[in-house]
Amino acid sequence: EDQVTQSPEALRLQEGESSSLNCSYTVSGLRGLFWYRQDPGKGPEFLFTLYSAGEEKEKERLKATLTKKESFLHITAPKPEDSATYLCAVQPRNTGFQKLVFGTGTRLLVSP
Amino acid sequence: NAGVMQNPRHLVRRRGQEARLRCSPMKGHSHVYWYRQLPEEGLKFMVYLQKENIIDESGMPKERFSAEFPKEGPSILRIQQVVRGDSAAYFCASSPPLKDYGYTFGSGTRLTVV
Repeated sequence: EDQVTQSPEALRLQEGESSSLNCSYTVSGLRGLFWYRQDPGKGPEFLFTLYSAGEEKEKERLKATLTKKESFLHITAPKPEDSATYLCAVQPRNTGFQKLVFGTGTRLLVSP
Repeated sequence: NAGVMQNPRHLVRRRGQEARLRCSPMKGHSHVYWYRQLPEEGLKFMVYLQKENIIDESGMPKERFSAEFPKEGPSILRIQQVVRGDSAAYFCASSPPLKDYGYTFGSGTRLTVV
């Protein structure tokens, strides 16, 4: 069964304190791995898609990396506005469309 | 260019009533997906639709739930005879007809069954 596990469940950082979020996955062939950001009361906002091991993508203070078993979301010098829940999802290769399997997310709180 | 529009944002229903959730995809997007987010759980796929077609409904409960995406108008997720366990946030997402495109989510409908 396709599965995504995110850790930690919650993370509290001081402004400027860099850290990483982990997403471990088991999937019957990976078509793509997605990162989303979700603010309270809102829908997930797309951040990145990664397709193959070794791939990296960056956006402002965020960098996503991918290996054959896990993905990391690195947050460099975070600011309070980076506080949100970060969701990881995988798209299995054996589905003919974008059916995503989500983890339960990491709740990030950045204090000033 | 409006994003994915869902309404209502909040919906309260008594047990046994029907709930209708609406989703208007982004302009130019012909693919619609519905996901459900239960408290403390991840988003779970429910159904994938294109105009006038249900492509995959493998995540839909077998009873009481149905979805449609008519030729004209929004996509509708319908829940008949709601029960307390249906209380959740229901998210709609849309994408253009490209396989590897991160789709866009709406802000969701929060259903509360009392």
